[in-house]
Amino acid sequence: GEDVEQSLFLSVREGDSSVINCTYTDSSSTYLYWYKQEPGAGLQLLTYIFSNMDMKQDQRLTVLLNKKDKHLSLRIADTQTGDSAIYFCAGRTSGTYKYIFGTGTRLKVLA
Amino acid sequence: SQTIHQWPATLVQPVGSPLSLECTVEGTSNPNLYWYRQAAGRGLQLLFYSVGIGQISSEVPQNLSASRPQDRQFILSSKKLLLSDSGFYLCAWTKQGQETQYFGPGTRLLVL
Repeated sequence: GEDVEQSLFLSVREGDSSVINCTYTDSSSTYLYWYKQEPGAGLQLLTYIFSNMDMKQDQRLTVLLNKKDKHLSLRIADTQTGDSAIYFCAGRTSGTYKYIFGTGTRLKVLA
Repeated sequence: SQTIHQWPATLVQPVGSPLSLECTVEGTSNPNLYWYRQAAGRGLQLLFYSVGIGQISSEVPQNLSASRPQDRQFILSSKKLLLSDSGFYLCAWTKQGQETQYFGPGTRLLVL
């Protein structure tokens, strides 16, 4: 089955850029997602990208997809303390109902 | 607008006791429904998903079961809880043919 991996922790200073990385094994993943989870809460969809795209930008968020290396990244510009949370990447193959989630990266923003 | 509810928010149960967690979605029809478990320090594990009333797909064999008695109601159950069942249980839904998966607020279960 598919495996999605992420580094567990990332610490950045307020105002710097954060880059959260994700690697996946299933090349048939058609849709790739980034979710944010604040403490004690459910997951909130931040953005998603189709596998036929290389990049997607949405305000402070930039998603980069390297299909050859099966690598997905989320860049947060001008990181704020409110960005401190766990970030999950997830993938889904077209025609299926299953979303495969990574282990999550805990982002800590230092003031 | 659509909303998703889960209850209870927090639950402390003894080992061997039964479990029933409920999830309901409002403002949509025929959603795909999902149960996930998030153990401490770990990612999300898909437990069950359902594409229609009475249709349940199980992803991980364990002592949990799921049912969908109504279109927008998804129930997670166990006859006898284990210590390893402790975790944060999340319900989610998607609209057929759309990409966004919406999550409920979660139920934190502690089995002692």
